[in-house]
Amino acid sequence: TQLLEQSPQFLSIQEGENLTVYCNSSSVFSSLQWYRQEPGEGPVLLVTVVTGGEVKKLKRLTFQFGDARKDSSLHITAAQPGDTGLYLCAGAGEGSGAGSYQLTFGKGTKLSVIP
Amino acid sequence: DVKVTQSSRYLVKRTGEKVFLECVQDMDHENMFWYRQDPGLGLRLIYFSYDVKMKEKGDIPEGYSVSREKKERFSLILESASTNQTSMYLCASSLALAGRPYGYTFGSGTRLTVV
Repeated sequence: TQLLEQSPQFLSIQEGENLTVYCNSSSVFSSLQWYRQEPGEGPVLLVTVVTGGEVKKLKRLTFQFGDARKDSSLHITAAQPGDTGLYLCAGAGEGSGAGSYQLTFGKGTKLSVIP
Repeated sequence: DVKVTQSSRYLVKRTGEKVFLECVQDMDHENMFWYRQDPGLGLRLIYFSYDVKMKEKGDIPEGYSVSREKKERFSLILESASTNQTSMYLCASSLALAGRPYGYTFGSGTRLTVV
C-alpha cells in the first residue's frame, strides 16, 4: 500500500510570509499532483509534476518533485489570505491496468493566512 | 468550462434508508471515482469505474454499491444508510491516457447526514 505523508498538518501564518508544505513517501510515483480545496468545495487541481527533479511555478507557488520521485514540496511566497485552504498532494503509482488510474492522496495541510 | 455535477449539496437521511448520490460529468472522461472525506482521515476511495458498466472496489466499499450505465453518469448507492456513513462525498472524473491518471476534476461534494 502506497502512503503519502503531508507535513505540517496545520499551518497558520501572517499575510506576506513564506511557507513550504511537504509530501513524502517511501514509494516511487510516476507523477504527483497538488490540489487546493476550499471549505465546502471539491479539490481543484493546481499542478502535475512528472519528471524527477522537476520544478513548476504557478505565480507565487513553486512545486518540486524529488529526484527519486518519492517526495514533493509546495512553496508559497508572500502568502495572501486567498491562499487559505486545504492543500492535498496525490501520487500516481507505477503499475499498469485499471489500478493505475487511481491516485493515492495525502491527508492534506490546512493553511490559514491571516490578514 | 468542464464540469462534474453532484445532484445534491446537502442531504439528510434516516438510518436504514436507501440513498442514491448522482454524479454527472460533461468532459467525456473514461474514469470516474467516488470518495468520502472525513476529518483526520483524508480522502478515501469507495469505488471507481474505468468504463461503462465496469467498476472496481476502492479502499472502503463495504455498505456501498455503484452503477455506471452511461459514460457520463456514475451513481453511488448506500444500500441501508447508517450513522457512520455521515460524511462529505466527492465525485471525480479523469481522462485515462496510456494507462496513467491525469488530473482529477472534482464535483462540489455532497454533505450527507444520516440520523
